[in-house]
Amino acid sequence: DTAVSQTPKYLVTQMGNDKSIKCEQNLGHDTMYWYKQDSKKFLKIMFSYNNKELIINETVPNRFSPKSPDKAHLNLHINSLELGDSAVYFCASSQGTRGYGYTFGSGTRLTVV
Amino acid sequence: GESVGLHLPTLSVQEGDNSIINCAYSNSASDYFIWYKQESGKGPQFIIDIRSNMDKRQGQRVTVLLNKTVKHLSLQIAATQPGDSAVYFCAETPHGGNKLVFGAGTILRVKS
Repeated sequence: DTAVSQTPKYLVTQMGNDKSIKCEQNLGHDTMYWYKQDSKKFLKIMFSYNNKELIINETVPNRFSPKSPDKAHLNLHINSLELGDSAVYFCASSQGTRGYGYTFGSGTRLTVV
Repeated sequence: GESVGLHLPTLSVQEGDNSIINCAYSNSASDYFIWYKQESGKGPQFIIDIRSNMDKRQGQRVTVLLNKTVKHLSLQIAATQPGDSAVYFCAETPHGGNKLVFGAGTILRVKS
């Protein structure tokens, strides 16, 4: 199946821990993104990578560090997790840098306790 | 369900009726607009898009209208079905950019 796949789907962890979320796309897209959806369903971009190069970094705390080992993968590492980091994190990809043809993954629900 | 406790605008329609979901966007420089549908536990799913040089675009059962004068976007769904129940988001892309700026979302409930 062609898709954007994220793992894990659910992540429950304690405050202060470090965790990673992984994302892979097999659509041949060269741009990948991380979006955060809060408890009010508001979706906001965090990062964007084009061909492994960071092109968008939207005022995200530096506890969040994206890494793109190749253009099909974009991982998100979060250090020193806080209660306010609880949210659903969506990975997405698109072809080119114009934002057309976005495909979203099914999300990772992160709960910090 | 997942919408309990959310304070998003809600549109309730009878199955078979037409639905109209509205959105005000923020940036007059945006030149590409998209409607997404999000079902419970899933990611946003593309429905229809429109570029700023158009004011109307039709798909299967859906129509998007763009009014740049008042920065307004609407999604019309014909013959709404129970499977259309979801949260609907409009999104805009600033000119030359690739990030999506999402609106707040509208819950659509379809009554059988």
